[in-house]
Amino acid sequence: KNQVEQSPQSLIILEGKNCTLQCNYTVSPFSNLRWYKQDTGRGPVSLTIMTFSENTKSNGRYTATLDADTKQSSLHITASQLSDSASYICVVSEGGATNKLIFGTGTLLAVQP
Amino acid sequence: GAVVSQHPSRVICKSGTSVKIECRSLDFQATTMFWYRQFPKQSLMLMATSNEGSKATYEQGVEKDKFLINHASLTLSTLTVTSAHPEDSSFYICSARRGRAYNEQFFGPGTRLTVL
Repeated sequence: KNQVEQSPQSLIILEGKNCTLQCNYTVSPFSNLRWYKQDTGRGPVSLTIMTFSENTKSNGRYTATLDADTKQSSLHITASQLSDSASYICVVSEGGATNKLIFGTGTLLAVQP
Repeated sequence: GAVVSQHPSRVICKSGTSVKIECRSLDFQATTMFWYRQFPKQSLMLMATSNEGSKATYEQGVEKDKFLINHASLTLSTLTVTSAHPEDSSFYICSARRGRAYNEQFFGPGTRLTVL
């Protein structure tokens, strides 16, 4: 069964600190892996998208890594800000015609002053 | 570019009534639109996929007669929750895909539905 698992479920860090979120997947065939930020009561906003051949991709203070061999990804947030408080969702797109998205359950990040 | 809007953002209705939610791609034409439902502290769950001018494809377990989807144009899709019940209360999110490239899917801001 195609699944995406994320850890930790929730995380509290102090403003200015770094953190790393993890994502493991069993989706096959694989097309791409995405990280989204979802603020409470809002739709997801794309942070990064990586294909099979990409190992790392950055978007400002967000850096995602992908190990397609072990089927693991991480999202590293540098110098966290209060506005980073949100749910971070790892999403894997199935290969094939539909490109169906398989969503992880997310990591709820709280950045405290 | 690539903005997707939803209307309304919040709706409260009485049990038994029908509610229509609109999803619009504001600055691009969407070949495909998707409807998701999200319960508190859970991930998004795909309800259905719709292509302009054709019938929607529903995921297993989603009642097509209860959740009516109309993709009337390349910029507008509507989801109608018919005879809504309290258990239909949820956060409904649409997304729109521009073209067929894998990275061309954009999410709307969501609609919070509360059925009393």
